[in-house]
Amino acid sequence: GESVGLHLPTLSVQEGDNSIINCAYSNSASDYFIWYKQESGKGPQFIIDIRSNMDKRQGQRVTVLLNKTVKHLSLQIAATQPGDSAVYFCAENPYGGATNKLIFGTGTLLAVQP
Amino acid sequence: DGGITQSPKYLFRKEGQNVTLSCEQNLNHDAMYWYRQDPGQGLRLIYYSQIVNDFQKGDIAEGYSVSREKKESFPLTVTSAQKNPTAFYLCASTQRAGLAKNIQYFGAGTRLSVL
Repeated sequence: GESVGLHLPTLSVQEGDNSIINCAYSNSASDYFIWYKQESGKGPQFIIDIRSNMDKRQGQRVTVLLNKTVKHLSLQIAATQPGDSAVYFCAENPYGGATNKLIFGTGTLLAVQP
Repeated sequence: DGGITQSPKYLFRKEGQNVTLSCEQNLNHDAMYWYRQDPGQGLRLIYYSQIVNDFQKGDIAEGYSVSREKKESFPLTVTSAQKNPTAFYLCASTQRAGLAKNIQYFGAGTRLSVL
C-alpha cells in the first residue's frame, strides 16, 4: 500500500511495551492541540486532544502531556499492540476560533514488533 | 453511516488536464478543508471554507480551485497550472466555525498521480 511515512522519524517498540511519541510545536500562542493516527493509505484519525489550560489528559490506553514552557507535546500509548503501528502526528491551533485552521507536524512512524 | 466521503480513491491526470476530487460529508459540519500530503511532510492547507458560498486560500492554493455551493460538498479542482500535482489529497471537516476547540475529521483520501 501507499506509504506516508517515508523519511519520517521512526520509533520501534516491542508489543506490550509502552510507547512515547514526541512533538515540538512551533507557536507559543497555540492553545489547543490534537494527536492523530494515520495508517498507510488512509486518512488521519483523531486520537486525543488537550487545551493549553491542562498539562495532562488521559484516554483509553493513551495519555497526552503538554509542557508549554518548552513547547513540547507527547503521546503515551500503554501496552502497545500491532494495530497501533501507524504514523502519529500532532496538530496545534494558534489561531483560536477565528479560522479553525490547524498546523500539522510531520509525524513519527511507530513500528510495533510482535 | 456518518462521515466524510472522498472519491475517487485513485485518480490519474494527463498533462494539461483539469481533474476534480470529490468530498462529501453528512455530519452537518460547517467548515471544510482540503490538504495536500507529500512523503515526509506535514499536511499543507490548500483551501478552506467556513460557510456555504465562501472559501479562503490556504498556504498552497496556486493551481487549485474550489467551490462550496452546498454545506455537505466541497470539491477540489486540480488545474493544469499545478505543475506537481502528484500527492495524497485529504478532505476534512469541523463541526462549527468559530470554536477554538476544533477537531478536524478526515476522509480516506484521494491519491492523484500524473500519467
